[in-house]
Amino acid sequence: AQSVTQLDSHVSVSEGTPVLLRCNYSSSYSPSLFWYVQHPNKGLQLLLKYTSAATLVKGINGFEAEFKKSETSFHLTKPSAHMSDAAEYFCVVTPDNYGGSQGNLIFGKGTKLSVKP
Amino acid sequence: SQTIHQWPATLVQPVGSPLSLECTVEGTSNPNLYWYRQAAGRGLQLLFYSVGIGQISSEVPQNLSASRPQDRQFILSSKKLLLSDSGFYLCAWSPQGYGYTFGSGTRLTVV
Repeated sequence: AQSVTQLDSHVSVSEGTPVLLRCNYSSSYSPSLFWYVQHPNKGLQLLLKYTSAATLVKGINGFEAEFKKSETSFHLTKPSAHMSDAAEYFCVVTPDNYGGSQGNLIFGKGTKLSVKP
Repeated sequence: SQTIHQWPATLVQPVGSPLSLECTVEGTSNPNLYWYRQAAGRGLQLLFYSVGIGQISSEVPQNLSASRPQDRQFILSSKKLLLSDSGFYLCAWSPQGYGYTFGSGTRLTVV
């Protein structure tokens, strides 16, 4: 069975410092992995996706994530936090390489990122 | 370009009242359409998905139903709302096979 664990429900950083949001997954298949961001009362926006190509994935707004199969991890990082990064972040896994056309996305419970001035 | 519209943005309904949330997609044809719910403090849960007009699959048995009367229209309904139906509802679409785009969501509060 597939599952996603976001290790921190809340992360707080100061503006200009690095961001690390942790995600571990389990999947019986070669997974596709995604990070989504959700700003308050808004829909989800795709930050980046891993689909068995390069293990280091670069996304929008300076975010990147590294797929580590040996650690079953897909942590999200950013070198320098900005106030506008404050939002909730979701790690998502789907067990096939085609984005799960039947909708079998599995979401983590989310990590709320706070950015202090 | 493709866009997805979802409304209303917020809704407060009494227990036992009916519900209708609408989602439409523009700029594409024959998309896969989905309804997700995000309950407070929990991740997103897939409720329904549709691969074509009139074709609805339910992932979780519950008080809700979905319909797809047109290719780019997806409706989430309930005949009688429960308190546990409160949450944030997201519509999403994907082309046949890969990639998801989510709507802006509807925050439903059942009182």
